Amino acid sequence: AQSVTQLDSHVSVSEGTPVLLRCNYSSSYSPSLFWYVQHPNKGLQLLLKYTSAATLVKGINGFEAEFKKSETSFHLTKPSAHMSDAAEYFCVVYNQAGTALIFGKGTTLSVSS
Amino acid sequence: NAGVMQNPRHLVRRRGQEARLRCSPMKGHSHVYWYRQLPEEGLKFMVYLQKENIIDESGMPKERFSAEFPKEGPSILRIQQVVRGDSAAYFCASSPQGGKLNTGELFFGEGSRLTVL
Repeated sequence: AQSVTQLDSHVSVSEGTPVLLRCNYSSSYSPSLFWYVQHPNKGLQLLLKYTSAATLVKGINGFEAEFKKSETSFHLTKPSAHMSDAAEYFCVVYNQAGTALIFGKGTTLSVSS
Repeated sequence: NAGVMQNPRHLVRRRGQEARLRCSPMKGHSHVYWYRQLPEEGLKFMVYLQKENIIDESGMPKERFSAEFPKEGPSILRIQQVVRGDSAAYFCASSPQGGKLNTGELFFGEGSRLTVL
């Protein structure tokens, strides 16, 4: 079965410093992986997606993620955090049938000035 | 182009009552998904519907929960005889295509927050 594990429930950074949110996946086939962001009391928005094209994926708001098959990882990074990046981030994998997204438990990103 | 609209945004029910949550997908989208988010948890898939059809309901509790997406009107998630454990945020999402044709981008509403007293 497909699953994702987000290694940190909470990450705190200072504004202007790099962001690293870690995600490992488990899949018996070549997965489709995504990162979604949820701002407080809002719906979710797609940040970026990996669907077996380039292993380095660029998303919105300066975020990017690298698919590493050897490490079964799909970590999310950003070179310089902004206050507006404070939110909940979810690593997500598609189920094999393509009918459902399977979400990790989320990582709360806090950004201090 | 309006996004996914969910209502009510907040709903309070007493144990044993019924809750009905509505979702209007984005214009042109015929695929609707319902997810539940419990505190400190990620979103859990409940059900995937196309117009008049339930495609995948593997995440739906066996009892008290039902969903529909009629030919006309919004999708409805119905919870009968609510219990305190049903308190959660329920998110609806839509997509223009479904299954493996979908690129994986779902467009989410802002959620309906159910509180059961």
